[in-house]
Amino acid sequence: DAKTTQPPSMDCAEGRAANLPCNHSTISGNEYVYWYRQIHSQGPQYIIHGLKNNETNEMASLIITEDRKSSTLILPHATLRDTAVYYCIVRVRNTGNQFYFGTGTSLTVIP
Amino acid sequence: KAGVTQTPRYLIKTRGQQVTLSCSPISGHRSVSWYQQTPGQGLQFLFEYFSETQRNKGNFPGRFSGRQFSNSRSEMNVSTLELGDSALYLCASSLEGRLVEETQYFGPGTRLLVL
Repeated sequence: DAKTTQPPSMDCAEGRAANLPCNHSTISGNEYVYWYRQIHSQGPQYIIHGLKNNETNEMASLIITEDRKSSTLILPHATLRDTAVYYCIVRVRNTGNQFYFGTGTSLTVIP
Repeated sequence: KAGVTQTPRYLIKTRGQQVTLSCSPISGHRSVSWYQQTPGQGLQFLFEYFSETQRNKGNFPGRFSGRQFSNSRSEMNVSTLELGDSALYLCASSLEGRLVEETQYFGPGTRLLVL
């Protein structure tokens, strides 16, 4: 899987948008970008994924640059419950059903 | 639809013992993967089962094994426990596990403490 680089930690004020960046400069054309988050000691929670188009669901938006070398997860109105570790994963097609989790970004939402 | 369930949620064992953890996937999901999470190594893939067969395996010693039943429920077993096996063990399920756009859904995990 392509390696991803994320900042180790970020803060965000409650009610503001949280923008979490991810670099995946070695991504190939057939690799999807997935985002999960993990609240302390719980199982990772799926957030969103995309290939090359921007995606939006009820939880977040995913913005992927045109060259696909980076992406940004946007939580539009962060709440205290969004405090978690966020993982950006680039998954290769047809390489088995395993996700390679990096170290992620620890997001703290501040009241 | 019910999510992935794992039992037990917490477990304390001593060195040398063996342990079995259980995972029930989301209804209709046939692929079950197991991960180990430790503070030092993060989330690491253990193995994946599909149709009662191990399809992928991570880089773990043979003390770690698993199986899957015809109803897709899965168990993993760790024999001769070591202190370093203390971790959060996570199970994830997906429909078929064949397509890279197929999402994995994780259970709450089993926290194992080896004394």
